[in-house]
Amino acid sequence: DTAVSQTPKYLVTQMGNDKSIKCEQNLGHDTMYWYKQDSKKFLKIMFSYNNKELIINETVPNRFSPKSPDKAHLNLHINSLELGDSAVYFCASSLGLGQETQYFGPGTRLLVL
Amino acid sequence: ILNVEQSPQSLHVQEGDSTNFTCSFPSSNFYALHWYRWETAKSPEALFVMTLNGDEKKKGRISATLNTKEGYSYLYIKGSQPEDSATYLCAFPVQAGTALIFGKGTTLSVSS
Repeated sequence: DTAVSQTPKYLVTQMGNDKSIKCEQNLGHDTMYWYKQDSKKFLKIMFSYNNKELIINETVPNRFSPKSPDKAHLNLHINSLELGDSAVYFCASSLGLGQETQYFGPGTRLLVL
Repeated sequence: ILNVEQSPQSLHVQEGDSTNFTCSFPSSNFYALHWYRWETAKSPEALFVMTLNGDEKKKGRISATLNTKEGYSYLYIKGSQPEDSATYLCAFPVQAGTALIFGKGTTLSVSS
C-alpha cells in the first residue's frame, strides 16, 4: 500500500480553469503539507495542516486553497489557473511538526497552457 | 529570511569514491535538521532527522554529523555506487512546530 498518494499524477489544463489535486495518507499522521517544486527544482512549503486546522499559509496566492475533509486527506484547490502555476506539487505527511520525518507523495505535474 | 545553504551544488564522482557535502543553517534557535534523498522522477525520501549537537547518524554507507553551535551538518557517502546518484536535500524548521525550509540540494552523480 502506498503511504502517501496523490491524484492525478499529471494534469494539463487551460489558463483560467479551476482544478483540484487530491492527497491521501494511510500512515495515521496528524500533519499534512503541500509543497511546490519551482522551475529551479526548489521545494517550497505552501501549506501545513495539523489535526484539520491550517497552521501555516506561506503567502501563496489566495487562488490556492487547501481543504481537509479528514485527517487522512489534504486536497489542493486552485482557482483561475495561471501559466506560472505550472510546476510539480508534492503532498507530504508527518506525525507532527518540525522534528518529525516527512513522507512525500509521488508528485502531481501540473501544466497550464 | 532564514536560509539553508548546501554545497557543492553538484558533484560527480567515480564508483567506489567516498564523498561528503555540507548543509549550513542558522545556528540560533535550532530545533532539528533533516536530510532527504531525492532521485530523479521520484519523491524525496527521508534519510535522517538530527536534533542534538554532536549527533551522528548512519544508514548503510551513508552517515551524517551535526554541529548546532556553528550551524552545519555533513553528509558522507562511503564507497559511492551508481544507485547513490540523487539530489541530497537538507531542511530545518524555522521555529518549533513549523514546516520545513529546504535547501536547494547537492546533486550527486556516480559513474561506474
